[in-house]
Amino acid sequence: AQTVTQSQPEMSVQEAETVTLSCTYDTSESDYYLFWYKQPPSRQMILVIRQEAYKQQNATENRFSVNFQKAAKSFSLKISDSQLGDAAMYFCAYRILYGQNFVFGPGTRLSVLP
Amino acid sequence: EPEVTQTPSHQVTQMGQEVILRCVPISNHLYFYWYRQILGQKVEFLVSFYNNEISEKSEIFDDQFSVERPDGSNFTLKIRSTKLEDSAMYFCASRTSGVYEQYFGPGTRLTVT
Repeated sequence: AQTVTQSQPEMSVQEAETVTLSCTYDTSESDYYLFWYKQPPSRQMILVIRQEAYKQQNATENRFSVNFQKAAKSFSLKISDSQLGDAAMYFCAYRILYGQNFVFGPGTRLSVLP
Repeated sequence: EPEVTQTPSHQVTQMGQEVILRCVPISNHLYFYWYRQILGQKVEFLVSFYNNEISEKSEIFDDQFSVERPDGSNFTLKIRSTKLEDSAMYFCASRTSGVYEQYFGPGTRLTVT
């Protein structure tokens, strides 16, 4: 069974600084997708970034980028120039290529300090 | 920008009662999902639905749960006889064909007393 682990229950970062959130996963599949979702206090889950496992290039989306290490089964999220609005729960999620459901990690609560 | 909507935002019910949680997926989406998140825990998959039938379900989705797309816009989750442990945030999600990410609604907080 696939599992997703986020080893940092809580993280904090100073405004304008950079922070990296860790995610590792366990799978025997070779083709899959990885995602980072953000859940602010309003509780709506918002997609931050997506990575296809067959792509070697790391995905970027404005201030958000990932470090995808397929062999190590690692998928970390880097947030640059952190803003107060980045404060949220961040979930790493995995989906196999032809699957339907996401498998979520337990989440990392990110605080942004002014 | 189109959004997934869910009603109600908060539902309180007594143990043993039936509840129906409602979702309106994004209009051109074809795949629909329900997830739940018990307070302080991770988001868990319940069920996926495509072409008017369940395509995948988890162990959590037992006979007490059912889903329906009663018309062209709504997607519902019914819990027949609620238990205390059903108290959770329930998220609906949808996606279109050929797209991998799912778009989530704001959730319905279900409290079973």
